[in-house]
Amino acid sequence: EAGVAQSPRYKIIEKRQSVAFWCNPISGHATLYWYQQILGQGPKLLIQFQNNGVVDDSQLPKDRFSAERLKGVDSTLKIQPAKLEDSAVYLCASSFNPGSPGEQYFGPGTRLTVT
Amino acid sequence: KQEVTQIPAALSVPEGENLVLNCSFTDSAIYNLQWFRQDPGKGLTSLLLIQSSQREQTSGRLNASLDKSSGRSTLYIAASQPGDSATYLCALRRTTDSWGKLQFGAGTQVVVTP
Repeated sequence: EAGVAQSPRYKIIEKRQSVAFWCNPISGHATLYWYQQILGQGPKLLIQFQNNGVVDDSQLPKDRFSAERLKGVDSTLKIQPAKLEDSAVYLCASSFNPGSPGEQYFGPGTRLTVT
Repeated sequence: KQEVTQIPAALSVPEGENLVLNCSFTDSAIYNLQWFRQDPGKGLTSLLLIQSSQREQTSGRLNASLDKSSGRSTLYIAASQPGDSATYLCALRRTTDSWGKLQFGAGTQVVVTP
């Protein structure tokens, strides 16, 4: 089966610009996660969707980050305006059922550099 | 607040040596613990998952143990190979989280030299 797809793979922008990342989860997966991984740290959950509803966005900086999952399939994460500290890898993951352990499948990530 | 720590941050071993990677956590109320592998430019690959009721899991050359009372998990990789070079992360799911949220350690970067 096809894995989690993400685009773009790399993005370089200047601070105060905006950027958007796209994720297409594995077909049939109801749950979608966006993680931020800063160099040298483990991934940190930004937002989690169950179908097209948000179930956890407690660590999303809502003044500059937004995410949507229209129709409960693919998702877009946006940053506007970007700051230097947003430089990180943004990972998307999906799972069929959040209650089923070990079923989070990760995409390759988007590496963002803010200059 | 649950803290997940991985020590050492980096490790270099000669090929053939066994690898021992450590993960410690502060709260024993965990649902399960997973070990992931991350290669440069790629996403995370799940290696082993241990349920809170289990003591260990094995897959090939990999063995992971879990001791909730001491707040520790260990990943053993037997007879290391250069292809084992990667960053290894542990992640746990808390019993209080019904949505499958994972909390990650910072990882141990492993280099296996030929």
